[in-house]
Parts: sequence; structure tokens; C-alpha cells
Amino acid sequence: DAGITQSPRYKITETGRQVTLMCHQTWSHSYMFWYRQDLGHGLRLIYYSAAADITDKGEVPDGYVVSRSKTENFPLTLESATRSQTSVYFCASRPTSGSADEQYFGPGTRLTVT
Amino acid sequence: GQNIDQPTEMTATEGAIVQINCTYQTSGFNGLFWYQQHAGEAPTFLSYNVLDGLEEKGRFSSFLSRSKGYSYLLLKELQMKDSASYLCAVTDGGYNKLIFGAGTRLAVHP
Repeated sequence: DAGITQSPRYKITETGRQVTLMCHQTWSHSYMFWYRQDLGHGLRLIYYSAAADITDKGEVPDGYVVSRSKTENFPLTLESATRSQTSVYFCASRPTSGSADEQYFGPGTRLTVT
Repeated sequence: GQNIDQPTEMTATEGAIVQINCTYQTSGFNGLFWYQQHAGEAPTFLSYNVLDGLEEKGRFSSFLSRSKGYSYLLLKELQMKDSASYLCAVTDGGYNKLIFGAGTRLAVHP
């Protein structure tokens, strides 16, 4: 039972390049989320998805694109990477929209943009 | 607007009790979560409060006062493995938009 996985775990890319971070969950959870975590800011929501083909912006969506063609996958694409997008990216999922359901986080991807 | 405040760092002694405070301002409150995050790892769920009062779960308890926009996480019988960051998060305008505080880094020493 793999749960929620992210790939790659570490990535170094250059400014201006496109990069895609992958997220896969085996629970068939409806909701999936992308966060970035930076020192002093905590976790900030980039995008989330309520189901396949349904996505919505979070707090810091600029410069990012998401898609969700299958329930289990939620890739995050940086169309033209900038140094300010150097961060640790966490994917998360939750089963329903009930208020008490916690989010389950993947192990994170550490992205460095040079 | 939305704002969550937590102390940046705290230290405590093994076996002691520590209280980590969180104050928040949000436009659409639907509950407050506490997560634990060890260095280099993913956050993991600790507790959820939606009604005023204390929720106890083993060595960890969480308190909420909605009228004061205030919560605390109480850790008893501290162990070295409790050294981690503790993240306070509130729902904002729906169950899916979590606003996180910057986290409190707790160091437990012998």
C-alpha cells in the first residue's frame, strides 16, 4: 500500500525551463492538493482538485499549471521556472469534503531553480 | 484577511509539558488542524477542533476558542522524538482551503 507518492524527490532545473512534478495516490481520494513550503511562510496552497477534471486556484497559483485526467494523478507543471519557485513542494489528498477529514501528505519534492 | 500567528521556536525538557499557542483571523472558519512535521519529512495530522473546548488524544491535547480566535496544542510527558515543527492550520471559506501558520519549531532536550 504505497499511499501517496511524489516524483522526483529532488530536482535541479534552470531558469526558463518547464518542469513537471508528479503526484500519485492509491486511495482513490477525491481531493488532491499542491502546496509549497518556504522558510518563514509555512505551507501555501497552490492548486487543488475536487475530482478528475475539476481544479481550482489556491493562494499562490501564478506560474503553475495543473491537470487531473485521472483520480489518482495530479501533476504540477512550472511552465517557465523562476528562482522564486525554488521550494519544497508537497502534494496531499483527502477522501471527502467533510470538515474533519485530514489531508495526507506525500514525502515532498525539493526543487532548486538555478 | 487571513492571518495565523505561532511562536517561531520553543524549547522544553524531556518529561515536561509544553503549550504551543496559535492565534488566527479568517473570514470563513470551519475548523482548526494541528500537524506535526519532522525535519525533512511530510506533515502528519495530530488533531482537529471545530467546537470550543479541549480535545484529548493520548499525550497530545488541543484547545479551541472561536470567539477569541485562539488555539493551543498541549504536549505532555515530552519525549525526544517530539522535537519537530508544529503547524497550525485553519479552514478558510470551505473545507479544502487550509491556511497554515509558519509553524513552531520545538526542541526537546534531556
